[in-house]
Order: sequence, then C-alpha cells, then structure tokens
Amino acid sequence: DIQMTQSPSTLPASVGDRITITCRASQNINNWLAWYQQKPGKAPKLLIYKASTLERGVPSRFSGSGSGTDFTLTISSLQPDDFAVYFCQQYNAYPWTFGPGTKADIK
Amino acid sequence: QVHLVQSGGGLKKPGASVKVSCEASGYTFTSYGINWVRQAPGEAFEWMGWISGYNGHADYAQKFKGRVTLTIDTSTTTAHMELRSLTSDDTAVYYCARGGVDAALMAFWGQGILVTVSS
Repeated sequence: DIQMTQSPSTLPASVGDRITITCRASQNINNWLAWYQQKPGKAPKLLIYKASTLERGVPSRFSGSGSGTDFTLTISSLQPDDFAVYFCQQYNAYPWTFGPGTKADIK
Repeated sequence: QVHLVQSGGGLKKPGASVKVSCEASGYTFTSYGINWVRQAPGEAFEWMGWISGYNGHADYAQKFKGRVTLTIDTSTTTAHMELRSLTSDDTAVYYCARGGVDAALMAFWGQGILVTVSS
C-alpha cells in the first residue's frame, strides 16, 4: 500500500497568515492527489483534486501543487472558517490511502 | 443538491455483523459510484471499497476482502455496507462518499455513522 505522511501535524496560525501543509507519498503517485478539510464532528469536504484543481465552490485562497511524491496545500490568507484538519488522499493505486491530517490551530 | 443520509451502525458485540446504509438523493444514482471509508478514533481515514451505482460492481481493499460486502439498491437509491466478524478494531465512524469528476474522489459525504464493537 502507498503510505501517506503529512507535516506538520499541528500548525498554529493566525487569521491572515499564509500557511502551507505538506503531504508525501511513499512512491510516485503522479498527480493523483486530493485534499480535504474536516471540521470537528462533520464530514470532510473535498477542496482540491488532481493535486492542483480546485473543486467547484472552494475559495481561491486554497491552492495545491506538486507531483510525484511531494505535494503542498497552501492557504494564502487564513480565514476564521479555515481552522480545521486538512488531509490528503492518493488515488493513483488501490487501496486509496489517506494522510493522518494536519490541524490548523489558532495561535 | 446532493444528499447522502446514512443509517444503521450502533453498538455491536465482537463476532457480530453490522450493516450501514446510505440513501442518496439529488443526483442520478446510476451515474456515480459510492466509496466507503472509515475513521477509527485518532486514526487516518481508511478506504474500504467502492461500488458502481450503475451495475453494482464492487472493488474492495485487500484488508477487508471476504469480510465486507457492498451492495446497491437502485430502486431506493441506497448503497449498503455490511461488515462481518467484528472486533474492537472495527470501532470507527463509517462514511459513504459519492465520487466526483473521478470515481476515486469523495466529493459528497454522508454524515457518518458510529459503529462501536464491545462486549
């Protein structure tokens, strides 16, 4: 199985900050990577797919980049609604696997 | 709008089975597949399998093969997940999620159902 890791596990930040979360795959997944946002007690929300394509309705402050094994999710100016857990998912090969998550926390 | 409403789950004893249902609305059921994933406390999401809404073909994660069965009922636009031989390691929140532009994506999610396995 392809292992997904993320860093950092927790990211203290303030409103207006630019933050970057990293996701790394244990082998080449081309650009078959998605990012999700999850808030406490809620189902996740798809933000980005194919590494850099914004899902419809997702604010443009979210962006994704990378290919191969290293990927990043960037929020250009953190908003109060963005404090949440972010996790990545590879869909290059079965079984689809997920990163452990990064919690964007209030500094 | 797309809605996935889950039911079932609950408290189960070790060795028992659980069935979780996922009733879909707001789209053409046969045009999209449904993924099933779970999240154990403090753990990453774990993909269990995918089922086609068109013909009921299912792909399973190797870890769950033989222990999980995915089915659909197009007359009620409902997908079902049955997991057998439960152990405490199966305690988790179980989600159904509809595909998006790619069947592997989880573009729309059910609310999640807690399954607790305990004697």
